[in-house]
Amino acid sequence: EVQLVESGGGLVQPGRSLRLSCAASGFNFEDYGMHWVRQAPGKGLEWVSGISWKSGNIGYADSVKGRFTISRDNAKNSVYLQMNSLRVEDTALYYCAKGQRFALWSAAGDWGQGTLVTVSS
Amino acid sequence: QSALTQPASVSGSPGQSITISCTGTSSDVGGSNYVSWYQQHPGKAPKLLIYDVSNRPSGVSDRFSGSKSDNTASLTISGLQADDEADYYCCSYTSSSALVFGTGTELTVL
Repeated sequence: EVQLVESGGGLVQPGRSLRLSCAASGFNFEDYGMHWVRQAPGKGLEWVSGISWKSGNIGYADSVKGRFTISRDNAKNSVYLQMNSLRVEDTALYYCAKGQRFALWSAAGDWGQGTLVTVSS
Repeated sequence: QSALTQPASVSGSPGQSITISCTGTSSDVGGSNYVSWYQQHPGKAPKLLIYDVSNRPSGVSDRFSGSKSDNTASLTISGLQADDEADYYCCSYTSSSALVFGTGTELTVL
């Protein structure tokens, strides 16, 4: 059974940093691209970033480019999202999602339950 | 990376069929075979329904089907059931090496 468990969310002041983690299990992690998707309270889904299985292909939404960095550690079956210069508008539930096998951009097939990030002074 | 355009809401009666549209541009929907659809019930994580325009993951009912024509993708749900009441999102790969979601559609089963 695929499991994706996000952690690292919390309350942070504008301008500060936060690092999210996603621990994966139940599948061959190194064969799959991974994504971060967020959802502000009462709003729709917004793709944040994606990383291919060997980190050779990485993408970011314009809204986070230059502030967020995605990375992965295949030895630890984990993907991370380093979030710097946080803004109030970054407040959201952040989901970790598993891409399709060897096809990062195809779709997000499995999702975690999310970790809540609140940016407020 | 502007969000793809979906109707805010659609409705149908049990047993009927409905179609949700997802309109983008030639830089996303029109230029990509990586179009996917997700279902999200309140308080739950999204669930993948359709990938690569028209493919269903194992375990997803064949009542859900996807298609695409030019810059518009569509999700059709046949034989509507009460449990289909949820929010639905389309998603497309873009020429900027990114993904973009649709604005979301709330489905009401009357």
